Amino acid sequence: EAGVTQFPSHSVIEKGQTVTLRCDPISGHDNLYWYRRVMGKEIKFLLHFVKESKQDESGMPNNRFLAERTGGTYSTLKVQPAELEDSGVYFCASSNRGNTEAFFGQGTRLTVV
Amino acid sequence: GENVEQHPSTLSVQEGDSAVIKCTYSDSASNYFPWYKQELGKRPQLIIDIRSNVGEKKDQRIAVTLNKTAKHFSLHITETQPEDSAVYFCAANPYTDKLIFGTGTRLQVFP
Repeated sequence: EAGVTQFPSHSVIEKGQTVTLRCDPISGHDNLYWYRRVMGKEIKFLLHFVKESKQDESGMPNNRFLAERTGGTYSTLKVQPAELEDSGVYFCASSNRGNTEAFFGQGTRLTVV
Repeated sequence: GENVEQHPSTLSVQEGDSAVIKCTYSDSASNYFPWYKQELGKRPQLIIDIRSNVGEKKDQRIAVTLNKTAKHFSLHITETQPEDSAVYFCAANPYTDKLIFGTGTRLQVFP
């Protein structure tokens, strides 16, 4: 079974630019989560999708972040315009409905310069 | 909301010794407590988890204990090996499906 895949693995962009991260969850997983880890800190929750619906977006930092999950399959997280403090590793995770075990992707390391 | 604190931030042990990582949580509604291991350059992977109706769970060299009254849970690794070196994250799952993570513990096992 293929795991959670994220693209790109690394991204370096200038402040003010736009970046779009992609996550492909495990096939059949209704739950999809976005998390972010800033250097040395906790893995912080950003957003939770159930299929194509946003179940909980209480962790999204501000309106520069936009997440979508069209058709309930893959998801994108767009940062526009990027700021220096957006740097970090963005993780995506997925799980089955009714099963709390979350499977993580390898993350996208975003560096805003 | 839920808050999870994790200690220590770094831990160095000699191969064969035991390692203990402790976490506390704030929301008594949390009922699921997983531990994730992240090796360098790899994805976080679930290594063990415990639910609030259980006090202890073991899987070979790793064990997790939960004290609901005190709101803390711990990861115990016995007979540590160099391949146990990684960053370990504890997490708590409150009333929704999201996980609230601790800040991570970098474990180094020296041969």
